[in-house]
Amino acid sequence: GNSVTQMEGPVTLSEEAFLTINCTYTATGYPSLFWYVQYPGEGLQLLLKATKADDKGSNKGFEATYRKETTSFHLEKGSVQVSDSAVYFCALRYSSGNTPLVFGKGTRLSVIA
Amino acid sequence: EPEVTQTPSHQVTQMGQEVILRCVPISNHLYFYWYRQILGQKVEFLVSFYNNEISEKSEIFDDQFSVERPDGSNFTLKIRSTKLEDSAMYFCASSALNTEAFFGQGTRLTVV
Repeated sequence: GNSVTQMEGPVTLSEEAFLTINCTYTATGYPSLFWYVQYPGEGLQLLLKATKADDKGSNKGFEATYRKETTSFHLEKGSVQVSDSAVYFCALRYSSGNTPLVFGKGTRLSVIA
Repeated sequence: EPEVTQTPSHQVTQMGQEVILRCVPISNHLYFYWYRQILGQKVEFLVSFYNNEISEKSEIFDDQFSVERPDGSNFTLKIRSTKLEDSAMYFCASSALNTEAFFGQGTRLTVV
């Protein structure tokens, strides 16, 4: 079946450190891939997405590249800020249109000054 | 900016009681969803709703669960007789055709 596996948290980094949160997926066909972020007390917000192999999604300094050969969609940021502290969810949508999302467990990131 | 709103933010209920979780989707969206996250586990899909009927549901969404769009703006999830294992964060989401889903802030349900 379709599934998403992301690295266990929590992840604690100092401000300006480099961030990588690993995400791999299992899916039939060619899913779309997403990163959602949940800031404290708020809902899930779409951070970035990629809809086909080799696409790179980017937003707010975060990037992730859809790698079909390694079935991965790792999230990266070159220099994290305290305001990036949140829970990050990797997700896939297994066909086009409005089919449901399949999520990973989420990774909590804490950035300290 | 339009947003999905959920009420209440936290609900505590006795085992066996009925609960209704409420959501107001974004006004021009046509697709509605409920997801849940048991503490420490994955966000899991429960049900999707389109054109006034369920379009897809997961194995979790058994006869104890129902959804309704009673008045054209609200979208509700009812759990008929809550169990301890229903304790979770419940997220509502909505989307337009072929667009990403927008999520609410969640309702934390605690069954005691």
